[in-house]
Amino acid sequence: EPEVTQTPSHQVTQMGQEVILRCVPISNHLYFYWYRQILGQKVEFLVSFYNNEISEKSEIFDDQFSVERPDGSNFTLKIRSTKLEDSAMYFCASSDTSGGVGEQYFGPGTRLTVT
Amino acid sequence: KQEVTQIPAALSVPEGENLVLNCSFTDSAIYNLQWFRQDPGKGLTSLLLIQSSQREQTSGRLNASLDKSSGRSTLYIAASQPGDSATYLCAVGLDTGNQFYFGTGTSLTVIP
Repeated sequence: EPEVTQTPSHQVTQMGQEVILRCVPISNHLYFYWYRQILGQKVEFLVSFYNNEISEKSEIFDDQFSVERPDGSNFTLKIRSTKLEDSAMYFCASSDTSGGVGEQYFGPGTRLTVT
Repeated sequence: KQEVTQIPAALSVPEGENLVLNCSFTDSAIYNLQWFRQDPGKGLTSLLLIQSSQREQTSGRLNASLDKSSGRSTLYIAASQPGDSATYLCAVGLDTGNQFYFGTGTSLTVIP
């Protein structure tokens, strides 16, 4: 069964460093998402991406964040200068819906620890 | 802004018991609602997706219902098993926008 994959599973970085989290969505999906979950808190939406551009973003997704689909398979989330409060589990998701919000398939997550 | 709440926050039941998890949302203009399971330190596994036009969906021992007008969904788990122990999340998609709004989750423990 097709699945969303994410690498690395765990990333430790120092405050102020740049990190890139990688995702490979399901191959025929067109919509891509990043969410994050701070320990003990709700899963929160960061950004959605369709047709090579951001279609929606939350207030969390400020100028420190960027997303890219550098090739036909990868979808990346970059945090330019990490802060302690960026420590969280980051989930990538994809869906194949042609409009609205369809069933989203989530990857296993990348645990980001900022020290 | 859509607010999604799940009650109870934690639930402990003996094996074999049937149980109901609740999810409520404030904005009834939803496109769909998805139930997920999350094991500790792991990702989200999709369990059921209900479109706004549907009243319920079933998969094995799981049955999810949706009442849009009252802003509620329930996840019914029949004949619970220790392997069902996990956190259950509901997420709501609005008919405008692309994001899901997640609930606070219910942590379920099934005691053998």
